Amino acid sequence: EDQVTQSPEALRLQEGESSSLNCSYTVSGLRGLFWYRQDPGKGPEFLFTLYSAGEEKEKERLKATLTKKESFLHITAPKPEDSATYLCAVQANQAGTALIFGKGTTLSVSS
Amino acid sequence: EAQVTQNPRYLITVTGKKLTVTCSQNMNHEYMSWYRQDPGLGLRQIYYSMNVEVTDKGDVPEGYKVSRKEKRNFPLILESPSPNQTSLYFCASSLSWGNTIYFGEGSWLTVV
Repeated sequence: EDQVTQSPEALRLQEGESSSLNCSYTVSGLRGLFWYRQDPGKGPEFLFTLYSAGEEKEKERLKATLTKKESFLHITAPKPEDSATYLCAVQANQAGTALIFGKGTTLSVSS
Repeated sequence: EAQVTQNPRYLITVTGKKLTVTCSQNMNHEYMSWYRQDPGLGLRQIYYSMNVEVTDKGDVPEGYKVSRKEKRNFPLILESPSPNQTSLYFCASSLSWGNTIYFGEGSWLTVV
């Protein structure tokens, strides 16, 4: 069964304190791994798509990496505006299959 | 502006009263889908559509219907809502299956 596990569930950081969020997955043939950011009461906002092991993508203070079993979202020198829930999702390589989401990591960054 | 628009954003209804949540995208996307988000369960797909007149069940389709008569619209229909359908619903679309999926702002539905 395809599944996604994110850790930790919650993370509190001081402004400027870098850290990483983990996404472990099992999927029968990976089409893509997606990272989203979700603010309270809002829809998930797309951040990155990773397709193959070894791939890395960056956007401002965020960097996503992918191995055959997990993905990391590295946050460098976070700011309070980075506070949100970060969602990881995988899509299997079978036409029509849904995104399978993890339960998310809620990040709080204090100044 | 490229977007996925859902209506209503907030709704309180009573058990058994049919309702429709509309979804429209202006990006000429082929693939559209509906998800629900519940505490402790995360986002789960209800139905999806690969293109006009092509729809299929997702992981939690019971109690829901959809239709795709036009490319831009993908309404979610609750024929006889029940309290266990109280949830936050998201419509999503992508250029085609396998491409990046973009989500709407969500519709909060409460069934009493």
